[in-house]
Amino acid sequence: NAGVTQTPKFRVLKTGQSMTLLCAQDMNHEYMYWYRQDPGMGLRLIHYSVGEGTTAKGEVPDGYNVSRLKKQNFLLGLESAAPSQTSVYFCASSYSWGFREEKLFFGSGTQLSVL
Amino acid sequence: QKEVEQDPGPLSVPEGAIVSLNCTYSNSAFQYFMWYRQYSRKGPELLMYTYSSGNKEDGRFTAQVDKSSKYISLFIRDSQPSDSATYLCAMTLSGGYQKVTFGIGTKLQVIP
Repeated sequence: NAGVTQTPKFRVLKTGQSMTLLCAQDMNHEYMYWYRQDPGMGLRLIHYSVGEGTTAKGEVPDGYNVSRLKKQNFLLGLESAAPSQTSVYFCASSYSWGFREEKLFFGSGTQLSVL
Repeated sequence: QKEVEQDPGPLSVPEGAIVSLNCTYSNSAFQYFMWYRQYSRKGPELLMYTYSSGNKEDGRFTAQVDKSSKYISLFIRDSQPSDSATYLCAMTLSGGYQKVTFGIGTKLQVIP
């Protein structure tokens, strides 16, 4: 049972380069999310998706784009990487939208450094 | 001022100790409160969930919410080395993960 899988696990970019982070979930979840985690800042939502073909902006969307062409995949793109985007990126998914002990399932993260 | 304040630690305790982890918040409208545990180089996992005020117990873990003081706590009894992790509090006004505010996390080390 893989759960939420993120690739790659580590990446080093130069300023101005582009890259795509891939998130795949095998739980048939409708909702998927991209977060970044920075020291002293906590987890912050970048973009999210409520279903295949839909995306929406979160708290810190600038500099990122996303796509959800297939229900199981959620891609995060950086078109022109900046040092401020150095962070650990987490993908997450959930079966439904609300709480009542509904869990967010997280991947193991991607450590991205932009030089 | 951040909406959610959490001491980053690190907090070191001997095995078997009772651990108290806390968060304060400024938005009195928060209704849903959660604790996530995050092991090193892993994603967070939901540990406890509480709606509104009160206590909730699950094994060695107890979550408390005091809305009048805008203060939430997680207690770990008989702490184990396997409890060594970072604990994130999280909260939101209403259902929907798109508006959850996370604390920065408290790093806990349980020493054998």
